[in-house]
Amino acid sequence: AQSVSQHNHHVILSEAASLELGCNYSYGGTVNLFWYVQYPGQHLQLLLKYFSGDPLVKGIKGFEAEFIKSKFSFNLRKPSVQWSDTAEYFCAVTRSYGGATNKLIFGTGTLLAVQP
Amino acid sequence: NAGVMQNPRHLVRRRGQEARLRCSPMKGHSHVYWYRQLPEEGLKFMVYLQKENIIDESGMPKERFSAEFPKEGPSILRIQQVVRGDSAAYFCASSPEGLAVGNEQFFGPGTRLTVL
Repeated sequence: AQSVSQHNHHVILSEAASLELGCNYSYGGTVNLFWYVQYPGQHLQLLLKYFSGDPLVKGIKGFEAEFIKSKFSFNLRKPSVQWSDTAEYFCAVTRSYGGATNKLIFGTGTLLAVQP
Repeated sequence: NAGVMQNPRHLVRRRGQEARLRCSPMKGHSHVYWYRQLPEEGLKFMVYLQKENIIDESGMPKERFSAEFPKEGPSILRIQQVVRGDSAAYFCASSPEGLAVGNEQFFGPGTRLTVL
């Protein structure tokens, strides 16, 4: 079955530290990849997405992610985190084929706490 | 432009009662998705609907759960005879077209269902 793994469940960083959150998926076909963020008390927002083209994707708020097909990975990075980045981060995948389903398969999430 | 609206935000039911969760997609969006987030887990896909049609209900429990997206009005997720295990956050998302054409899903704030 298609699955998404986020190995870091809780991450604590100090401001200005660099961030990398891991995401691996198990599906072998063509995939679309997403990172969503949920700030405290708010709903999920899209950080970035990959459908095709340049495997290095830049998103909002200085985040980027790199799709490495050979490793089935789509890790999220930010060179210097801020206190306001404290949130829960979800990696998600969907198959890329015309029509039917479009369902997102989510990882279990990574809770990031940034200490001022 | 209003985002995805969900109501109620919090719903408390006793075992055996019915729960009705409502979702109004963003204006111009004809695709609706429902996800459930159990405690300590990621979001799990439940059902994908277009106006008046269920496209994919592979994530719906076989009994007690149903969903609709009528021609007029919001999408409804209905849970009959609720049990304690139904306690979760239920999220609705919408998109103008399917994800296969590069669209993202926009999420609502969720409905937190508590079954006593």
